[in-house]
Amino acid sequence: EAGVAQSPRYKIIEKRQSVAFWCNPISGHATLYWYQQILGQGPKLLIQFQNNGVVDDSQLPKDRFSAERLKGVDSTLKIQPAKLEDSAVYLCASSFPAGGRGEQFFGPGTRLTVL
Amino acid sequence: AQKITQTQPGMFVQEKEAVTLDCTYDTSDQSYGLFWYKQPSSGEMIFLIYQGSYDEQNATEGRYSLNFQKARKSANLVISASQLGDSAMYFCAMRFNDMRFGAGTRLTVKP
Repeated sequence: EAGVAQSPRYKIIEKRQSVAFWCNPISGHATLYWYQQILGQGPKLLIQFQNNGVVDDSQLPKDRFSAERLKGVDSTLKIQPAKLEDSAVYLCASSFPAGGRGEQFFGPGTRLTVL
Repeated sequence: AQKITQTQPGMFVQEKEAVTLDCTYDTSDQSYGLFWYKQPSSGEMIFLIYQGSYDEQNATEGRYSLNFQKARKSANLVISASQLGDSAMYFCAMRFNDMRFGAGTRLTVKP
């Protein structure tokens, strides 16, 4: 079974530029998550989708971050314009629908450096 | 509010010995799930073990076991017979509506 796919793996941009990350979850997983992991910290949830609907985006900086999951499968996270403090690893995860243990399966992440 | 605390920034263990990684949590909810994840230097988060708040027995998965003490709100991870490949960051997490992660513990296994 294929895992969660993310691209690109690494991205370097200058501040005020825009950037987009892509995630393809495990087949059949209805729930998709985007996390931000700043160096030395645990992941922080940015947004959670159930199919193509947003369940929780309370910690997403909506003035510069946006995310979509149009067909309920893959998802894109965008930052526009980027700031220095956005340098982090962006992790995508997916899980089965509600019920059961609810463990999340993570992709390899995208490491973003903002100069 | 739900909060996860991992008080050990770094731990060292000799190969083949057991090690305990600490995790405490704070919640007023009765139903929740506790998870441990491993994050090697490659960056991917790997699920290790799960404990439900109503589970009466401590969870075990191979060399991993979870020492769950509900009254003390602790969920420590025990790794038995450490291997060099166990060197990584370890995160404790709690799920209520969303998943909250602790700051992590960096484990180094010495040969």
